[in-house]
Amino acid sequence: AQSVTQLGSHVSVSEGALVLLRCNYSSSVPPYLFWYVQYPNQGLQLLLKYTSAATLVKGINGFEAEFKKSETSFHLTKPSAHMRDAAEYFCAVDTGGFKTIFGAGTRLFVKA
Amino acid sequence: ETGVTQSPTHLIKTRGQQVTLRCSSQSGHNTVSWYQQALGQGPQFIFQYYREEENGRGNFPPRFSGLQFPNYSSELNVNALELDDSALYLCASTRGQRGAVQETQYFGPGTRLLVL
Repeated sequence: AQSVTQLGSHVSVSEGALVLLRCNYSSSVPPYLFWYVQYPNQGLQLLLKYTSAATLVKGINGFEAEFKKSETSFHLTKPSAHMRDAAEYFCAVDTGGFKTIFGAGTRLFVKA
Repeated sequence: ETGVTQSPTHLIKTRGQQVTLRCSSQSGHNTVSWYQQALGQGPQFIFQYYREEENGRGNFPPRFSGLQFPNYSSELNVNALELDDSALYLCASTRGQRGAVQETQYFGPGTRLLVL
């Protein structure tokens, strides 16, 4: 069975600081991995996805994530946080079927 | 803007009632999935429809049912509402067949349901 664990329900960074949101997955087959962002009162927007091509995936808004099979991780990073990055972030896994499994989410706070 | 719309935006019902939530997908998107997002949690997969047939289902009871129409709209119906059904309900559409993973899911803004 597939599962996703996001470490830290809340992360707070200062504007301009590095953003690191952690995600570990469990999957019995090679997974497809995703990061989504959710702004207040909105649906989910895809930031980036890993589909077994390059292990370093670049997404929108300056975010990127690295797939590390040995660590079963897919952490999301951004070199410099901006106030507009404050939102809820969800890591998700899909094994090519019809169901996407989401983590519980990490709320990112950005301090001025 | 994802091109996916949902109605209504908010809804209040009482326990035992029935509710219908609606989703309008992008033209050409043959697959629609529905998710339940309880407060403070990630979305949980309810079911998926492909070309008007249920394609897969998560761990939700039969009182959660759906329909998909040829005009790229769909419905989520919930009977005998329970307090725990209070959540944000999201629909997501994809162009691919059977929700092929390489196709991006486009999410609507959701319907927030409160059951009293």
